[in-house]
Amino acid sequence: QSVLTQPPSVSGAPGQRVTISCTGTSSNIGTGFDVHWYQHLPGTAPKLLIYDNSRRPSGVPDRISGSKSGTSAYLAITGLQAEDEADYYCQSHDSGLRGSVFGGGTKLTVL
Amino acid sequence: EMQLVESGGGLVQPGRSLRLSCAASGFIFEDYAMHWVRQAPGKGLEWVSGISWKSGSIGYADSVKGRFTISRDNAKNFLYLEMNSLRVEDTALYFCSKSSSGSFGAGINNWFNAWGQGTLVTVS
Repeated sequence: QSVLTQPPSVSGAPGQRVTISCTGTSSNIGTGFDVHWYQHLPGTAPKLLIYDNSRRPSGVPDRISGSKSGTSAYLAITGLQAEDEADYYCQSHDSGLRGSVFGGGTKLTVL
Repeated sequence: EMQLVESGGGLVQPGRSLRLSCAASGFIFEDYAMHWVRQAPGKGLEWVSGISWKSGSIGYADSVKGRFTISRDNAKNFLYLEMNSLRVEDTALYFCSKSSSGSFGAGINNWFNAWGQGTLVTVS
Protein backbone atom coordinates (compact mmCIF):
# COMPACT_ATOMS: atom_id res chain seq x y z
CA GLN A 1 0.00 0.00 0.00
CA SER A 2 1.68 3.21 -1.19
CA VAL A 3 1.55 6.41 0.83
CA LEU A 4 0.46 8.40 -2.24
CA THR A 5 -2.54 7.08 -4.18
CA GLN A 6 -2.62 6.93 -7.97
CA PRO A 7 -5.06 5.21 -10.33
CA PRO A 8 -3.57 1.91 -11.53
CA SER A 9 -4.19 2.72 -15.16
CA VAL A 10 -5.37 5.38 -17.60
CA SER A 11 -5.73 5.30 -21.35
CA GLY A 12 -6.31 7.60 -24.29
CA ALA A 13 -6.19 7.71 -28.04
CA PRO A 14 -3.38 9.43 -29.94
CA GLY A 15 -3.82 13.18 -29.84
CA GLN A 16 -6.08 13.11 -26.78
CA ARG A 17 -5.45 14.48 -23.28
CA VAL A 18 -5.09 12.35 -20.16
CA THR A 19 -4.72 13.30 -16.52
CA ILE A 20 -3.18 11.24 -13.74
CA SER A 21 -4.03 12.07 -10.15
CA CYS A 22 -1.91 11.64 -7.05
CA THR A 23 -3.63 11.91 -3.68
CA GLY A 24 -1.79 12.29 -0.41
CA THR A 25 -2.54 13.15 3.20
CA SER A 26 -1.97 15.89 5.72
CA SER A 27 1.53 14.54 6.44
CA ASN A 28 2.78 14.91 2.87
CA ILE A 29 1.06 16.77 0.01
CA GLY A 30 -1.57 18.29 2.30
CA THR A 31 1.04 19.86 4.55
CA GLY A 32 2.53 21.78 1.65
CA PHE A 33 5.24 19.52 0.30
CA ASP A 34 5.68 19.77 -3.45
CA VAL A 35 5.06 16.87 -5.83
CA HIS A 36 7.38 15.54 -8.50
CA TRP A 37 6.58 13.22 -11.40
CA TYR A 38 8.56 10.53 -13.21
CA GLN A 39 8.11 8.48 -16.37
CA HIS A 40 9.38 4.90 -16.19
CA LEU A 41 9.73 2.30 -18.89
CA PRO A 42 10.43 -1.17 -17.42
CA GLY A 43 14.10 -2.04 -17.58
CA THR A 44 15.22 1.56 -17.95
CA ALA A 45 16.12 4.42 -15.62
CA PRO A 46 13.15 6.53 -14.46
CA LYS A 47 13.02 10.01 -15.98
CA LEU A 48 12.08 13.21 -14.15
CA LEU A 49 9.14 14.91 -15.91
CA ILE A 50 7.92 17.52 -13.42
CA TYR A 51 9.40 18.94 -10.21
CA ASP A 52 7.94 21.31 -7.65
CA ASN A 53 4.38 20.56 -8.83
CA SER A 54 4.58 22.24 -12.22
CA ARG A 55 8.16 22.91 -13.31
CA ARG A 56 9.60 21.10 -16.30
CA PRO A 57 13.28 20.13 -16.60
CA SER A 58 14.89 21.12 -19.87
CA GLY A 59 14.03 18.70 -22.64
CA VAL A 60 10.55 17.81 -21.36
CA PRO A 61 7.94 19.02 -23.89
CA ASP A 62 5.34 21.58 -22.85
CA ARG A 63 2.51 19.18 -23.68
CA ILE A 64 3.36 17.67 -20.28
CA SER A 65 2.25 19.73 -17.30
CA GLY A 66 1.66 19.42 -13.58
CA SER A 67 -0.53 21.05 -10.97
CA LYS A 68 -1.41 20.74 -7.31
CA SER A 69 -4.50 21.51 -5.26
CA GLY A 70 -4.99 20.68 -1.60
CA THR A 71 -3.92 17.12 -0.90
CA SER A 72 -3.78 16.12 -4.58
CA ALA A 73 -1.52 16.69 -7.56
CA TYR A 74 -2.13 16.10 -11.23
CA LEU A 75 -0.04 15.24 -14.27
CA ALA A 76 -1.55 16.12 -17.63
CA ILE A 77 -0.36 14.95 -21.01
CA THR A 78 -1.89 16.48 -24.11
CA GLY A 79 -1.44 15.43 -27.73
CA LEU A 80 -0.89 11.80 -26.68
CA GLN A 81 1.76 9.93 -28.62
CA ALA A 82 2.64 6.25 -28.75
CA GLU A 83 5.95 7.03 -27.04
CA ASP A 84 4.05 8.26 -23.95
CA GLU A 85 3.04 4.70 -23.12
CA ALA A 86 4.84 4.05 -19.83
CA ASP A 87 4.41 3.96 -16.06
CA TYR A 88 4.11 7.29 -14.26
CA TYR A 89 4.93 7.91 -10.59
CA CYS A 90 4.38 10.85 -8.29
CA GLN A 91 6.77 11.52 -5.39
CA SER A 92 6.81 13.83 -2.40
CA HIS A 93 8.11 14.05 1.16
CA ASP A 94 6.34 12.72 4.24
CA SER A 95 6.91 14.48 7.55
CA GLY A 96 5.89 11.48 9.60
CA LEU A 97 8.08 9.01 7.72
CA ARG A 98 10.89 11.57 7.40
CA GLY A 99 11.70 10.52 3.87
CA SER A 100 10.54 10.43 0.29
CA VAL A 101 7.34 8.67 -0.67
CA PHE A 102 6.08 7.48 -4.06
CA GLY A 103 2.68 6.79 -5.48
CA GLY A 104 1.86 3.26 -6.57
CA GLY A 105 2.31 4.17 -10.22
CA THR A 106 -0.10 4.58 -13.13
CA LYS A 107 0.21 2.65 -16.37
CA LEU A 108 -0.63 4.84 -19.36
CA THR A 109 -1.87 3.00 -22.42
CA VAL A 110 -2.09 4.78 -25.76
CA LEU A 111 -4.93 3.11 -27.63
CA GLU B 1 26.36 14.00 -18.96
CA MET B 2 25.41 12.72 -15.53
CA GLN B 3 25.87 8.98 -15.18
CA LEU B 4 25.13 6.53 -12.39
CA VAL B 5 26.12 2.87 -12.67
CA GLU B 6 25.02 0.36 -10.05
CA SER B 7 26.68 -2.97 -9.37
CA GLY B 8 26.79 -5.70 -6.75
CA GLY B 9 23.38 -7.29 -7.21
CA GLY B 10 22.86 -11.02 -7.44
CA LEU B 11 21.19 -14.10 -6.00
CA VAL B 12 21.51 -14.48 -2.24
CA GLN B 13 19.89 -16.68 0.39
CA PRO B 14 17.59 -15.25 3.05
CA GLY B 15 19.52 -14.00 6.05
CA ARG B 16 22.70 -13.32 4.08
CA SER B 17 24.28 -10.00 3.15
CA LEU B 18 25.04 -8.08 -0.02
CA ARG B 19 26.74 -4.76 -0.77
CA LEU B 20 25.59 -2.57 -3.65
CA SER B 21 27.77 0.10 -5.22
CA CYS B 22 26.97 3.07 -7.42
CA ALA B 23 29.65 4.84 -9.48
CA ALA B 24 28.83 8.47 -10.24
CA SER B 25 30.24 10.70 -12.96
CA GLY B 26 29.38 13.83 -14.92
CA PHE B 27 28.58 16.00 -11.89
CA ILE B 28 30.20 17.15 -8.65
CA PHE B 29 29.26 14.13 -6.55
CA GLU B 30 30.21 15.65 -3.19
CA ASP B 31 27.72 18.50 -3.67
CA TYR B 32 24.58 16.35 -3.76
CA ALA B 33 22.58 14.06 -1.52
CA MET B 34 22.10 10.57 -2.93
CA HIS B 35 19.41 7.94 -2.58
CA TRP B 36 18.57 4.30 -3.18
CA VAL B 37 15.15 3.46 -4.64
CA ARG B 38 13.91 -0.06 -5.40
CA GLN B 39 11.23 -1.74 -7.47
CA ALA B 40 10.04 -5.19 -6.54
CA PRO B 41 8.78 -7.42 -9.37
CA GLY B 42 5.41 -6.18 -10.57
CA LYS B 43 5.38 -3.38 -8.00
CA GLY B 44 6.00 0.36 -7.96
CA LEU B 45 8.95 2.46 -6.88
CA GLU B 46 9.86 2.47 -3.19
CA TRP B 47 12.32 4.89 -1.60
CA VAL B 48 14.85 2.91 0.45
CA SER B 49 17.45 5.28 1.86
CA GLY B 50 19.05 8.71 1.50
CA ILE B 51 22.30 10.36 2.56
CA SER B 52 23.27 14.04 2.59
CA TRP B 53 26.28 15.43 0.76
CA LYS B 54 28.72 15.04 3.69
CA SER B 55 26.97 12.03 5.27
CA GLY B 56 25.76 14.14 8.17
CA SER B 57 22.12 13.19 7.67
CA ILE B 58 20.94 9.68 6.80
CA GLY B 59 17.49 8.11 6.62
CA TYR B 60 15.84 4.79 5.86
CA ALA B 61 12.43 3.43 4.98
CA ASP B 62 10.85 1.55 7.87
CA SER B 63 11.01 -1.65 5.81
CA VAL B 64 14.83 -1.67 5.87
CA LYS B 65 15.69 0.25 9.04
CA GLY B 66 18.16 -1.64 11.21
CA ARG B 67 19.18 -3.97 8.36
CA PHE B 68 20.50 -1.68 5.60
CA THR B 69 23.29 0.90 5.85
CA ILE B 70 23.90 3.64 3.29
CA SER B 71 27.30 5.29 2.92
CA ARG B 72 29.32 7.27 0.42
CA ASP B 73 32.93 7.95 -0.53
CA ASN B 74 33.17 11.46 -1.96
CA ALA B 75 36.83 10.99 -2.84
CA LYS B 76 35.97 8.07 -5.11
CA ASN B 77 32.51 9.28 -6.26
CA PHE B 78 30.80 6.13 -4.96
CA LEU B 79 27.55 5.46 -3.13
CA TYR B 80 27.01 2.19 -1.25
CA LEU B 81 24.21 0.17 0.29
CA GLU B 82 25.14 -2.55 2.76
CA MET B 83 22.21 -4.96 3.05
CA ASN B 84 22.14 -7.41 5.95
CA SER B 85 19.58 -9.98 7.12
CA LEU B 86 18.09 -10.04 3.64
CA ARG B 87 14.50 -11.19 3.26
CA VAL B 88 12.58 -12.60 0.30
CA GLU B 89 10.63 -9.33 0.18
CA ASP B 90 13.88 -7.40 -0.46
CA THR B 91 13.96 -8.92 -3.95
CA ALA B 92 13.94 -5.94 -6.29
CA LEU B 93 15.74 -3.86 -8.87
CA TYR B 94 17.75 -1.31 -6.88
CA PHE B 95 18.30 2.13 -8.41
CA CYS B 96 20.87 4.71 -7.36
CA SER B 97 19.56 8.26 -7.76
CA LYS B 98 20.95 11.80 -7.49
CA SER B 99 19.13 14.31 -5.36
CA SER B 100 18.29 17.84 -6.44
CA SER B 101 20.28 19.33 -3.54
CA GLY B 102 22.98 18.45 -1.04
CA SER B 103 20.62 18.28 1.90
CA PHE B 104 18.64 15.35 3.20
CA GLY B 105 16.40 15.01 6.19
CA ALA B 106 13.07 15.79 7.79
CA GLY B 107 11.21 18.43 5.84
CA ILE B 108 13.59 18.43 2.89
CA ASN B 109 11.66 17.54 -0.25
CA ASN B 110 14.22 16.62 -2.88
CA TRP B 111 13.50 15.28 -6.31
CA PHE B 112 15.66 12.83 -8.22
CA ASN B 113 17.14 14.24 -11.41
CA ALA B 114 19.43 11.38 -12.40
CA TRP B 115 19.02 7.63 -12.09
CA GLY B 116 21.04 4.54 -12.85
CA GLN B 117 19.75 1.54 -14.76
CA GLY B 118 19.53 -0.52 -11.57
CA THR B 119 21.04 -3.71 -10.21
CA LEU B 120 18.87 -6.75 -9.51
CA VAL B 121 18.86 -8.33 -6.06
CA THR B 122 17.15 -11.70 -5.74
CA VAL B 123 16.70 -13.19 -2.27
CA SER B 124 15.73 -16.83 -2.51
